[in-house]
Amino acid sequence: ETGVTQTPRHLVMGMTNKKSLKCEQHLGHNAMYWYKQSAKKPLELMFVYNFKEQTENNSVPSRFSPECPNSSHLFLHLHTLQPEDSALYLCASSREQGASNGYTFGSGTRLTVV
Amino acid sequence: GQQLNQSPQSMFIQEGEDVSMNCTSSSIFNTWLWYKQEPGEGPVLLIALYKAGELTSNGRLTAQFGITRKDSFLNISASIPSDVGIYFCAGQEYGGSQGNLIFGKGTKLSVKP
Repeated sequence: ETGVTQTPRHLVMGMTNKKSLKCEQHLGHNAMYWYKQSAKKPLELMFVYNFKEQTENNSVPSRFSPECPNSSHLFLHLHTLQPEDSALYLCASSREQGASNGYTFGSGTRLTVV
Repeated sequence: GQQLNQSPQSMFIQEGEDVSMNCTSSSIFNTWLWYKQEPGEGPVLLIALYKAGELTSNGRLTAQFGITRKDSFLNISASIPSDVGIYFCAGQEYGGSQGNLIFGKGTKLSVKP
């Protein structure tokens, strides 16, 4: 399988739940990213991993916890979220952080916090 | 931090019409990219630009890297219903943090058959 695959595609969770989002890429890329996309807002960069090392944490609340076990997989662990965290969460990858040929995005996970 | 000004925010056009949208920044960019996002999907790269003045086409789409390196334009000719979606500009700021892409807020395109 090629490209960037995100699971699940849709997730509804209560504020006390713990869930995880998964992202997988088979492009041989070394950088992976988590973005949050809310209505009428620009894409918000959350975390960046480059060669499995976290290089960016864009002041993201601790209820979001990323994990990158290897260059092909990226997780976002969710715990005690708020309704305002409802959004489309996009994973992306690139050859390496700062590569100029752009990012490849997954289809996203539509998260609803109730 | 740096933000990109993308306009217009939305467009409602008739099938067959040409479309133009643009993106501006307050600082110099090394790279300009244009993405399209369809409902329920992630953004897909349409065109990448790497040199000031560069003009690149992808089918009916044409994009240009502004000569000031602070802007970029995307044109769509003879629009069709499947052009519907949100178009994002993105760029890498010269000397920017880690080379991360900065995204515009998007232009939502609606095409009436």
